Amino acid sequence: EVQLVESGGGLVQPGGSLKLSCAASGFTFSTYSMNWVRQAPGKGLEWVSYISSSGSTIYYADSVRGRFTISRDNAQSSLFLQMKSLRDEDTAVYYCVRDYYIFDSWGQGTLVTVSS
Amino acid sequence: DVVMTQSPLSLPVTLGQPASISCRSSQSLVYSDGKTYLSWFQQRPGQSPRRLIYQLSNRDSGVPDRFSGSGSGTDFTLKISRVEAEDVGVYYCMQGARWPRTFGQGTRVEI
Repeated sequence: EVQLVESGGGLVQPGGSLKLSCAASGFTFSTYSMNWVRQAPGKGLEWVSYISSSGSTIYYADSVRGRFTISRDNAQSSLFLQMKSLRDEDTAVYYCVRDYYIFDSWGQGTLVTVSS
Repeated sequence: DVVMTQSPLSLPVTLGQPASISCRSSQSLVYSDGKTYLSWFQQRPGQSPRRLIYQLSNRDSGVPDRFSGSGSGTDFTLKISRVEAEDVGVYYCMQGARWPRTFGQGTRVEI
């Protein structure tokens, strides 16, 4: 069974940093591309970032480019999202999402709250 | 960016009756491989999204056959043949043909 477990969310002040992690199990992590998708409270879904299976190809949404960095450790079956210069509008639940025919499996999400 | 527009945004339904959600994209979602990269997701209250349909009309494993996806080019539809109580939630279409990936606004299905 595919399992994606996010962690690292919490309360951070505007301008602060946070690093999210996603622990994957139940499949061969190194052969799948991965994504982060977020959902602001009471709002819809927004794709944030993509990383290919090897890590050689990376994409970001315009709203986070230059502030967020996606990475992965295939040996540890883990996905990461380093977030810097956080803004109020980054407040959301962040989901780790596998990319088999695009977004097939989702984690339970981790809540990031940016507030002073 | 490809804009995904869903309608209606709220859909009152009756148990046992059919329901339909429309999704329109601002550009064709037919990729260079000839496939249409349009997916549908269901988000039940308090849960993570779950993919129901991928590549226009392929149902994911475990998804009841009362859910079906159809359409072409820029116009797409998710149909529920007979609504059940467990179908309550928000439904999103999403395009995977171009970067950035983009979602529709969501359609809230309620009994």
